[in-house]
Amino acid sequence: GAVVSQHPSRVICKSGTSVKIECRSLDFQATTMFWYRQFPKQSLMLMATSNEGSKATYEQGVEKDKFLINHASLTLSTLTVTSAHPEDSSFYICSADSGTSSYNEQFFGPGTRLTVL
Amino acid sequence: GDSVTQMEGPVTLSEEACLTINCTYTATGYPSLFWYVQYPGEGLQLLLKATKADDKGSNKGFEATYRKETTSFHLEKGSVQVSDSAVYFCALILQAGTALIFGKGTTLSVSS
Repeated sequence: GAVVSQHPSRVICKSGTSVKIECRSLDFQATTMFWYRQFPKQSLMLMATSNEGSKATYEQGVEKDKFLINHASLTLSTLTVTSAHPEDSSFYICSADSGTSSYNEQFFGPGTRLTVL
Repeated sequence: GDSVTQMEGPVTLSEEACLTINCTYTATGYPSLFWYVQYPGEGLQLLLKATKADDKGSNKGFEATYRKETTSFHLEKGSVQVSDSAVYFCALILQAGTALIFGKGTTLSVSS
């Protein structure tokens, strides 16, 4: 099956620093990738949709200058949390759509736990 | 707008009990429907899916049938195990290239 990886799996950083999270599709090309944020005991909140080679589309209420998304290739999308603060602490999950599945299936990464001190 | 509603948890069961987690949806078109499972500290794993009315998705003893007339996709398992303890998300997607729309998730806790 299709595999999506995320790196790092966990990161702890100081307030004010920036953190980059990578999302890679390992065995397929992802025309579209999605970034979600999950708060404890809650559902996934879509942050943005990114298509290779174009600007990401952010959901309402998500600060695009704070959460920078780059989809530079068909196998890699990055989310950079700039000037992180404790309220940015969360579980960030990416998913990838190959655009070829007849089921419109998306494949999820294992998530990145961000803790901002 | 398009949405997914699933029963609130937590659901607490004894091992070998029957499980039903209700899920209903509202959609303007003809969605594909999914159940995802999330184990503690992990990402989401696809459990099963159905793409059209009357399709039944099944995996690991779990089943769900796409009911267009009731706009439902209830998750069922005849005999749960402790290892089934997790959060279950019902989701839909209307077309390729768009994001999944998730329900709020239902926590299942199975005790021995």
